[in-house]
Amino acid sequence: EPEVTQTPSHQVTQMGQEVILRCVPISNHLYFYWYRQILGQKVEFLVSFYNNEISEKSEIFDDQFSVERPDGSNFTLKIRSTKLEDSAMYFCASRKDRASYEQYFGPGTRLTVT
Amino acid sequence: QQQVKQSPQSLIVQKGGISIINCAYENTAFDYFPWYQQFPGKGPALLIAIRPDVSEKKEGRFTISFNKSAKQFSLHIMDSQPGDSATYFCAAIPGYRGGSEKLVFGKGTKLTVNP
Repeated sequence: EPEVTQTPSHQVTQMGQEVILRCVPISNHLYFYWYRQILGQKVEFLVSFYNNEISEKSEIFDDQFSVERPDGSNFTLKIRSTKLEDSAMYFCASRKDRASYEQYFGPGTRLTVT
Repeated sequence: QQQVKQSPQSLIVQKGGISIINCAYENTAFDYFPWYQQFPGKGPALLIAIRPDVSEKKEGRFTISFNKSAKQFSLHIMDSQPGDSATYFCAAIPGYRGGSEKLVFGKGTKLTVNP
């Protein structure tokens, strides 16, 4: 069964450094998302992406964050200058098309900012 | 109100029992209500989902009950098994009517099924 994959599984970085989290969505899906989950808390929406554009973003997704689909398979989240409070699990999700609402999540990347 | 309120925070059930998790919402524009199951260190996995035009959906041992007038929906796990021990999240999507496709999650329920 097709699944969303994410790399790396764990990323440790120092405050102020840039990180890029990578995702490979399910191959025939058209809508892509990033969510994050701070330890012990609920999953929060960051951004949605369709047709090479951001379609929606949350208040969390400020100028330090960016997303890109550099080729036909990868979907990346970049944090330009990490802060301690960026430490969280970051999940990528994908959705097939406009007619279906189901979002399928990857296993996540644990980001630790020291 | 873009919130989904979930209860209880934790639940302990004996093997073979019924687990019931409840969620409530305010935004009548919500158009799709999924439940996700999450094991430690893993991503949320879509379990079952319902649209507001039906009152119940059953898939195997998992059932969603939906009460549109009360703006509540619940997950029932019949014949609960130790392998069901996980955190369960309810969620909602405003949909096209609500102008958003993002998932709005509840805070989660940690279910423990004792053998």
